[in-house]
Amino acid sequence: QSVLTQPPSASGTPGQRVTISCSGSSSNIGSETVNWFQHLPGTAPTLLIYSYNQRPSGVADRFSGSKSGTSASLAISGLQSEDEADYYCAAWDDRLSGWVFGGGTKLTVL
Amino acid sequence: QVRLVQSGAELKTPGASVKVSCKASGYTFTGYFMHWVRQAPGQGLEWMGWVNPKSGGTKYAQKFQGRVTLTRDTSINTVYMELSSLRSDDTATFYCARGGGVAVAGTEFDYWGQGTLVTVSS
Repeated sequence: QSVLTQPPSASGTPGQRVTISCSGSSSNIGSETVNWFQHLPGTAPTLLIYSYNQRPSGVADRFSGSKSGTSASLAISGLQSEDEADYYCAAWDDRLSGWVFGGGTKLTVL
Repeated sequence: QVRLVQSGAELKTPGASVKVSCKASGYTFTGYFMHWVRQAPGQGLEWMGWVNPKSGGTKYAQKFQGRVTLTRDTSINTVYMELSSLRSDDTATFYCARGGGVAVAGTEFDYWGQGTLVTVSS
């Protein structure tokens, strides 16, 4: 049982916009920054979004992040087949005094 | 460019310990924390802890407290993760990932090692 809750799966067709949610609490998302990661099987995870909505250099602007209260969201616009991957959110948790991850969302491009 | 290169796959028997290394290059090694993250087969990512390469200070996730030890060797820009009393459910891929700055704020988990598969089996 992950501290941050994500839907186990999401899907969309090429060109569509997809949103992945990440629900937490006041001790993590509500008070701390959120990072999002893309994880392709057999490779290392890569940082997509940090500090809720900042993109590292090299990450396409099709990826965007937002936060509202104790929830965060990752949006992917102009969906492409190469976006098919697992996506994870993460945040520092003040109560646990450690980083916590969501359970991951498997994105399928139909 | 920043690179984190981890040691190779390990096969261990239950009850044994494993020590995985992560060699950093392309940046000031003592300037950034280093995280360790575990992913069991078919499971999600799980934070294990971090080490401060400058001071050697550590922070462990409650789940791994007492079983994991994070260390560093500044002479060779390498951090280590040792997990003891291995069980079959410790079979997983372990990743190191660069953390924020030691002296100034930085981006957490911005660079990752390639992962090290540890298999625990009798």
